[in-house]
Amino acid sequence: QSVLTQPPSVSAAPGQKVTISCSGSSSNIGNNYVSWYQHLPGTAPKLLIYDNDKRPSGIPDRFSGSKSGTSATLGITGLQTGDEADYYCETWENSLTFNVLFGGGTKLTVL
Amino acid sequence: EVEVVESGGGLIQPGGSLRISCEVSGFSLSVFWMYWVRQAPGKGLVWVSRSNGDGTITNYADSVRGRFTISRDNAKNTLYLQMNSLRAEDTAVYYCARDNRNLGLDSWGQGILVTVSS
Repeated sequence: QSVLTQPPSVSAAPGQKVTISCSGSSSNIGNNYVSWYQHLPGTAPKLLIYDNDKRPSGIPDRFSGSKSGTSATLGITGLQTGDEADYYCETWENSLTFNVLFGGGTKLTVL
Repeated sequence: EVEVVESGGGLIQPGGSLRISCEVSGFSLSVFWMYWVRQAPGKGLVWVSRSNGDGTITNYADSVRGRFTISRDNAKNTLYLQMNSLRAEDTAVYYCARDNRNLGLDSWGQGILVTVSS
């Protein structure tokens, strides 16, 4: 069970908007940047968002990220069937030893 | 073009050892932190280890510390993960990823399957 909590699944119709939450604490999200990844099993995960709200080159502006306190959110607008995938948040944890945390993952279904 | 390719996976008995490799191209390995991340069957992504550009700084998840060793040969553009005392719970697809100067893990390989079973 991950320290970062994501909903196991979300769904919406094509063209609609969906948000995926990632809840943590002051020792992780609260004091560190959050990244988001899209992953289709058997393929290479893809970076969607870094530094809470920045998009790498080539990622469409349909994808957005935000952070408030100890939670982060990924937003996807204009849903397409190709967006069906697993989505993961990721951040560092402040502890005696360095640690990277991934959320448990959220399966997006585009109905 | 940046490319990351893992290799060396397979079936190994519990208690055994295996070394997997990650060969990169399109960038200089020595400049980047590199990560290993794994995904057990039906589960999510989990961080395993990371190494700085010259291999002098390494970090490990609690679940593998003392059993796994990350290393690199920058002249060969290759990152390694030596896995000892393997357990059934180490069964997973192992991914290699580049940390683009703390701007996220921006380049990943397709992953390599490691199965620990008798």
